[in-house]
Amino acid sequence: GENVEQHPSTLSVQEGDSAVIKCTYSDSASNYFPWYKQELGKGPQLIIDIRSNVGEKKDQRIAVTLNKTAKHFSLHITETQPEDSAVYFCAASTEGGKLIFGQGTELSVKP
Amino acid sequence: DSGVTQTPKHLITATGQRVTLRCSPRSGDLSVYWYQQSLDQGLQFLIQYYNGEERAKGNILERFSAQQFPDLHSELNLSSLELGDSALYFCASSVQERGFLNEQFFGPGTRLTVL
Repeated sequence: GENVEQHPSTLSVQEGDSAVIKCTYSDSASNYFPWYKQELGKGPQLIIDIRSNVGEKKDQRIAVTLNKTAKHFSLHITETQPEDSAVYFCAASTEGGKLIFGQGTELSVKP
Repeated sequence: DSGVTQTPKHLITATGQRVTLRCSPRSGDLSVYWYQQSLDQGLQFLIQYYNGEERAKGNILERFSAQQFPDLHSELNLSSLELGDSALYFCASSVQERGFLNEQFFGPGTRLTVL
């Protein structure tokens, strides 16, 4: 069935360092890959997304890469700041719209 | 603020009871999705509506049902509640159900506690 694996489950970095979170999906029909940031007590917030016709997308300190052949996609955060601390979720969907989420990565950025 | 509103924010009830969770999508969004977030299952898709019609079902129990009204707000009804139904319930909305306008924006959630 549809499945998205996300690693690592926890990630601790020093302020200013880079953070990388990786996801693998199983459904080859998946064509839309969003990333969400969830802070304590809040709903998931869409931070960046990528579609299957693009290999890389960047928005300021955040970038996402997609390797359709390997069914891998990754989130890269550069120059991390304490306010980047949160749980990050990757997701995948087909044309149908429903999102299949990874298990989440708890990112801690230490000042 | 995503523009998606959910009420109530918190709900505490007893086993066997029935509750209704309400969601108002962003202005202009036609599609509404419901997700359940629990510690052991993570974020799981429950059901999707588009312009009043059911479009997709996920791991939604038969005790749960939903609908989307003509004004596009949606309600998720949970009945015969069990302890295991305690979770965060999120609503998300998107302009379209597919294609380049299907980015989903999440509401703040309803925390359901079943005692």
